[in-house]
This record gives sequence, structure tokens and C-alpha cells, in this order.
Amino acid sequence: NAGVTQTPKFQVLKTGQSMTLQCAQDMNHNSMYWYRQDPGMGLRLIYYSASEGTTDKGEVPNGYNVSRLNKREFSLRLESAAPSQTSVYFCASKDRERGNTGELFFGEGSRLTVL
Amino acid sequence: GENVEQHPSTLSVQEGDSAVIKCTYSDSASNYFPWYKQELGKGPQLIIDIRSNVGEKKDQRIAVTLNKTAKHFSLHITETQPEDSAVYFCAALLTGGGNKLTFGTGTQLKVEL
Repeated sequence: NAGVTQTPKFQVLKTGQSMTLQCAQDMNHNSMYWYRQDPGMGLRLIYYSASEGTTDKGEVPNGYNVSRLNKREFSLRLESAAPSQTSVYFCASKDRERGNTGELFFGEGSRLTVL
Repeated sequence: GENVEQHPSTLSVQEGDSAVIKCTYSDSASNYFPWYKQELGKGPQLIIDIRSNVGEKKDQRIAVTLNKTAKHFSLHITETQPEDSAVYFCAALLTGGGNKLTFGTGTQLKVEL
């Protein structure tokens, strides 16, 4: 049982390049999330998908796009990377059947450096 | 929206001592307060949570207390062990806030031998 799987684990980009972070969960969860983690800033929500077919902006959506490909997969795209997007990115999922509360299950993170 | 403040940012204790991490939140409508532990190189993992209709919850060596009037909640770890060393995040869920948790900025706990 893999849980939440993110790829790649590490990536170095040059300013202006694009890339997609992939996330897949095998727990049949309805809700999926993308967070970024920066020193002294905690975890900040970029985008989330409450259910298949829906996506919504979080606290820091600028510069990112997302796609909920199916119930399992939720990808995060940087169209034109900037140094300010250097961060560790976490994907998470949650079982919607538990209502608004309930445990978030996180992947192991993707460390992105933009030069 | 919700704002969560967490203190201290770093905490060092001797093995066997207790550790306390405190958080405050801004919106009185928040009703769910989880705590996550993040080990080095890993994603955060839920260790305990509390709902607004409960004042205290315990699970072995960890406990969480909630003061709704003052809008603050705390994590207590007793008899600390080296494996407790990690970053701890508090969070608050605002009802009607689109099902989004707001996290604190994290506390780096170091348990020294």
C-alpha cells in the first residue's frame, strides 16, 4: 500500500522553464491538495480538489496550475518557473467521507530548485 | 480567513522532560485542530487532533488542550524520547472555509540525550 506517491523527488529548473509535479494516491480518497513548505512559513495551500472534476485556489495559487486527471491523480504545473517557487512541494489526500475533518495523508515531498 | 500562530519556533529539551508547543488562532468559527509531526525527509503525519466540543484529548505520551475562549491550543509531550525529535505543525480548520486547513509555522523539537 503506497499511500501518496509524488514524482519527481528532486528537480532543478532554470528560470522560465516549465514542469509538472505528479501525485497519485491509492486510498480511494476524494480530496487532494498541493502545499508548499518554506522555512519559517509552514505549509501553505496552493490548490486543492475536493472531488474528481473540481479544483479550487488555495492561499498561494499564483504561478501554478493544477489538473485532477482522475480520482487517483492530481498534478501541479509550473508554466514559467521563478526563483520564488524554489520550495518543497507536498501532495496530500483526504477521505471525504469523514467530512471536513479527518486525517490528511501526505506524500514524501518534491524538492524544487529554480535557478 | 484563518491565521494560526505557533510558538516556539525551536525547542530543545532533555530526554525524559516534557515539551509544550502553543498555537493561537484568529477565527472563533474554527472547529477542528490537528497536530502533525514531520520527520526529516518525510511528509507530515497526523499525531493527534481535537474538535471544538472537547477541551482535552490524550493518547499515551501526547495530549492536546483547547481553550476556545482564548482561541489557543497546545500540544504536550511527556517523557520525551529521541524519536520525538521532529518538526511539529499545528493547524486549524475554519468551517465554511472551503475545507482548507491553515497551518502554523512549525516547531523544531530536539530531544537531547
